[in-house]
Amino acid sequence: QKEVEQNSGPLSVPEGAIASLNCTYSDRGSQSFFWYRQYSGKSPELIMFIYSNGDKEDGRFTAQLNKASQYVSLLIRDSQPSDSATYLCAVHNAGNMLTFGGGTRLMVKP
Amino acid sequence: EAGVTQFPSHSVIEKGQTVTLRCDPISGHDNLYWYRRVMGKEIKFLLHFVKESKQDESGMPNNRFLAERTGGTYSTLKVQPAELEDSGVYFCASSQDFRVSEPSALHFGNGTRLTVT
Repeated sequence: QKEVEQNSGPLSVPEGAIASLNCTYSDRGSQSFFWYRQYSGKSPELIMFIYSNGDKEDGRFTAQLNKASQYVSLLIRDSQPSDSATYLCAVHNAGNMLTFGGGTRLMVKP
Repeated sequence: EAGVTQFPSHSVIEKGQTVTLRCDPISGHDNLYWYRRVMGKEIKFLLHFVKESKQDESGMPNNRFLAERTGGTYSTLKVQPAELEDSGVYFCASSQDFRVSEPSALHFGNGTRLTVT
């Protein structure tokens, strides 16, 4: 079992719709959860992080965490073509390293 | 502020050859990390420097990989001899002090795409 799992996609949504990206993790002791966006050939860019159960909103982005289910998600409201990218879920549980999922490729169609 | 810079952006070498990747972190960042992503897999941690010292090298795959950070500034990652399975994208990241409370402090470079033929 992978430590952090994501559906590779592609997830295709129409412009203006809500994109829902999901991630599960295996280490129940994980404390911090991150969502990175990566455009092709570019560096991963942090867009959201969440520590506590529940929802955290930042603009069009909402991160949701359910530690009991070991599940974290990212919702993107009013999706734009510029949101098309690979979204990486990452977990921080020990030391100073991040454990990444394989990423979900999102395609927002005009 | 200049970001994390990696060189080269692409490298194509033959199996058995040696390749050296370079990472220039953001000036003043004591923490430097190497990660890599092999084809179809997730990004995986390789190692972590604090200044010139290796803090954690638990992710280094084998002794064909050698990372250095002399003087605590830029870092190199040498692969010798390269094997086909070493192909992938090697990312470097740096931070002044990566704390759980300040995750935005971790900055990634654009990566070096290594192809071993």
